[in-house]
Amino acid sequence: KAGVTQTPRYLIKTRGQQVTLSCSPISGHRSVSWYQQTPGQGLQFLFEYFSETQRNKGNFPGRFSGRQFSNSRSEMNVSTLELGDSALYLCASSQDRVTGELFFGEGSRLTVL
Amino acid sequence: KNQVEQSPQSLIILEGKNCTLQCNYTVSPFSNLRWYKQDTGRGPVSLTIMTFSENTKSNGRYTATLDADTKQSSLHITASQLSDSASYICVVSAPMDSNYQLIWGAGTKLIIKP
Repeated sequence: KAGVTQTPRYLIKTRGQQVTLSCSPISGHRSVSWYQQTPGQGLQFLFEYFSETQRNKGNFPGRFSGRQFSNSRSEMNVSTLELGDSALYLCASSQDRVTGELFFGEGSRLTVL
Repeated sequence: KNQVEQSPQSLIILEGKNCTLQCNYTVSPFSNLRWYKQDTGRGPVSLTIMTFSENTKSNGRYTATLDADTKQSSLHITASQLSDSASYICVVSAPMDSNYQLIWGAGTKLIIKP
């Protein structure tokens, strides 16, 4: 069974640009959540999608957005990039959004110059 | 305020030794408590999930305990190996209105030295 797949794994952008990250969950998982992790920091929750609906949202500015498609694949977008957006962005999928185990992808490492 | 606090912040032990990591939470009520292992630069991997009615759960050399009365959990690692070097994160799942939230601890960074 394939795990959670995130693309791209690494990317470099400049300030002011925008970026789109993709996440393919484990087959059968309908819950997808996104996290930001900056160097030396813990995971910061961005948002969670379930059946194409945003169910939870963290405390991030509106520049951060996401969506989920009918096949449960999810994308997140960051517009008007800032230096502080440099981070590892992690996606996790789950079969049961309340009690289920989270399965994480390897992450997308974004560097903003 | 719902919080999860972990201690110590970092820990260095020799290979083969045991260690115990602590997690204190103020979340109430809660659905379950989880421990994750995160290798540097990679996504976390689940070690254990415990509901409030469970006192202990093991996964190989990892044993998690839960005391719902004192709102404390611990993760005990037996006979540590170099591959145990990682961050260990405690997470509490709590109902919130008609929804739920995951409250993440900041993690304990464990370094195993040969």
